[in-house]
Amino acid sequence: KAGVTQTPRYLIKTRGQQVTLSCSPISGHRSVSWYQQTPGQGLQFLFEYFSETQRNKGNFPGRFSGRQFSNSRSEMNVSTLELGDSALYLCASSLSAGTGELFFGEGSRLTVL
Amino acid sequence: QQQVKQSPQSLIVQKGGISIINCAYENTAFDYFPWYQQFPGKGPALLIAIRPDVSEKKEGRFTISFNKSAKQFSLHIMDSQPGDSATYFCAAMMTGANSKLTFGKGITLSVRP
Repeated sequence: KAGVTQTPRYLIKTRGQQVTLSCSPISGHRSVSWYQQTPGQGLQFLFEYFSETQRNKGNFPGRFSGRQFSNSRSEMNVSTLELGDSALYLCASSLSAGTGELFFGEGSRLTVL
Repeated sequence: QQQVKQSPQSLIVQKGGISIINCAYENTAFDYFPWYQQFPGKGPALLIAIRPDVSEKKEGRFTISFNKSAKQFSLHIMDSQPGDSATYFCAAMMTGANSKLTFGKGITLSVRP
């Protein structure tokens, strides 16, 4: 069974640009969560989607958005990039919403110059 | 406000020794407490988890001890091996459709050969 797949794995952007990250969950998993990982703040929750609906949202500005498609694949978008957005963005899938048994991808490492 | 706090911040253990990582939480409504393990370049992976109706859970060399009254839980790694060197995150959540997993900031464990 294939794991969670995130693309791209690495990307470099400049301030003011926008970026879209993609996540394909494990087959049969209907919930997708996104986390931002930085050395100083650790793992911070961005949002969770289940059945194409956002179920929960973390304390991030509106520049961070996401969506989920009918096949459970998810994308997150960050607009007007800032230097502080440089981080590893992790996607995790689970069978259903509200479970702590998350299966993480290897992440998309974003560098903002 | 950090709802889940880990200690120590880093840990060095000799091969064959016992590694102990502690975690404290604030929200008494939390009812699921997992530990995640992350190797460099990889996403976190669920290691072991406990619910508050038991005080201890063991899986191989890994044991979670849970103290509900103190709002603390810990991870014990027996016979620590160099392959256990990784970052360990404790987490907590109140299970339910609109809940999210809150992570501690993580600790880096180094097991010396």
